Amino acid sequence: EAQVTQNPRYLITVTGKKLTVTCSQNMNHEYMSWYRQDPGLGLRQIYYSMNVEVTDKGDVPEGYKVSRKEKRNFPLILESPSPNQTSLYFCASSLSPGWNSPLHFGNGTRLTVT
Amino acid sequence: LAKTTQPISMDSYEGQEVNITCSHNNIATNDYITWYQQFPSQGPRFIIQGYKTKVTNEVASLFIPADRKSSTLSLPRVSLSDTAVYYCLVGDEKYGGATNKLIFGTGTLLAVQP
Repeated sequence: EAQVTQNPRYLITVTGKKLTVTCSQNMNHEYMSWYRQDPGLGLRQIYYSMNVEVTDKGDVPEGYKVSRKEKRNFPLILESPSPNQTSLYFCASSLSPGWNSPLHFGNGTRLTVT
Repeated sequence: LAKTTQPISMDSYEGQEVNITCSHNNIATNDYITWYQQFPSQGPRFIIQGYKTKVTNEVASLFIPADRKSSTLSLPRVSLSDTAVYYCLVGDEKYGGATNKLIFGTGTLLAVQP
């Protein structure tokens, strides 16, 4: 089944403790991206990647890192999480850049930083 | 920076046609317009995509006027299961053309009542 898989679904951590949220897709998609969703702010793009070893900043990249060492994986790294990064996070992939190709989203990761 | 504007919420009744309009005044020349549907605690799901005039698929129609500064998603004969948040998406026109950076609006919460 074609899908985007994120893990974990729920994560509670403390300020400053490094964490990684994994994202994997099995559709051989070139484009992958991360979003955060907050009440009243909709979906905001954090980072995106056009292909292996090619990443770029989205609208809200501060406090996040990503890597794209393999085509199928695009982990989101929070080196030193802070409470303002408490949010619902989504990973997505598409065959080509999402402005002309449908995005496939994962089921989300709800992160709480205390 | 490209920006989309949608109504925050809309109400409808089962069996009615619903039209949701999105404003994107700064859309890039080669940019597509894409609409997504999101249910609570799930990732957004692709509905329809278009460049100009009218596009129709099995679930919706998309109307885009000649100036492309807005678009209207039309859902025929809605049911209770169409209650969701609807997002329109365009690319960021910052560099004079559609880029790989994506800008979601804040979404429209459609509430369908019996």
